[in-house]
Amino acid sequence: DAGITQSPRHKVTETGTPVTLRCHQTENHRYMYWYRQDPGHGLRLIHYSYGVKDTDKGEVSDGYSVSRSKTEDFLLTLESATSSQTSVYFCAISDKTGSSGNTIYFGEGSWLTVV
Amino acid sequence: GESVGLHLPTLSVQEGDNSIINCAYSNSASDYFIWYKQESGKGPQFIIDIRSNMDKRQGQRVTVLLNKTVKHLSLQIAATQPGDSAVYFCAENSSSYKLIFGSGTRLLVRP
Repeated sequence: DAGITQSPRHKVTETGTPVTLRCHQTENHRYMYWYRQDPGHGLRLIHYSYGVKDTDKGEVSDGYSVSRSKTEDFLLTLESATSSQTSVYFCAISDKTGSSGNTIYFGEGSWLTVV
Repeated sequence: GESVGLHLPTLSVQEGDNSIINCAYSNSASDYFIWYKQESGKGPQFIIDIRSNMDKRQGQRVTVLLNKTVKHLSLQIAATQPGDSAVYFCAENSSSYKLIFGSGTRLLVRP
């Protein structure tokens, strides 16, 4: 594993409640990502960060916000959880971009169920 | 719990045989490619990568082939073992922070 810890690993929450998932890395990598993985859709990028306080949207960012106050931590928040946000969430990190070798390393995932 | 799609293409091979998993990528400007392996209940794990200035790269029991003409990538696994059973994803990168992932292929190894 690439020094990535996600918490919580499993959570069941009710519709309308806020949820925050935490990603912590020990690799000092500049780039951090949040993906969700659903049957039939593969891995889809929610948000990513290219530095402290620098974040941008991915392809499925609606309903999600992120924050990165420290290099090692990247938080994903669902302000008001919906059943469509039931998914597996993966945090990922990388230290390079493009053809330099943008190898993204993944955490072990957080299983979120919204009931 | 199960973390990958239920309707993935599946490749079933006999233990000890070679496996070939294929992937078509979408962007002719992509210049870096990665193969990932994902076991049930775990995150994707890096296997091997290749840059667009190469056609072939070998690792331990794995080989990646890149055909830029037809935008095709393949992963060859030699002497497939039961521990190779997983879902395999290709990913492409086109000089940005992000990777674009394929939908994946499930590899089943028969004992």
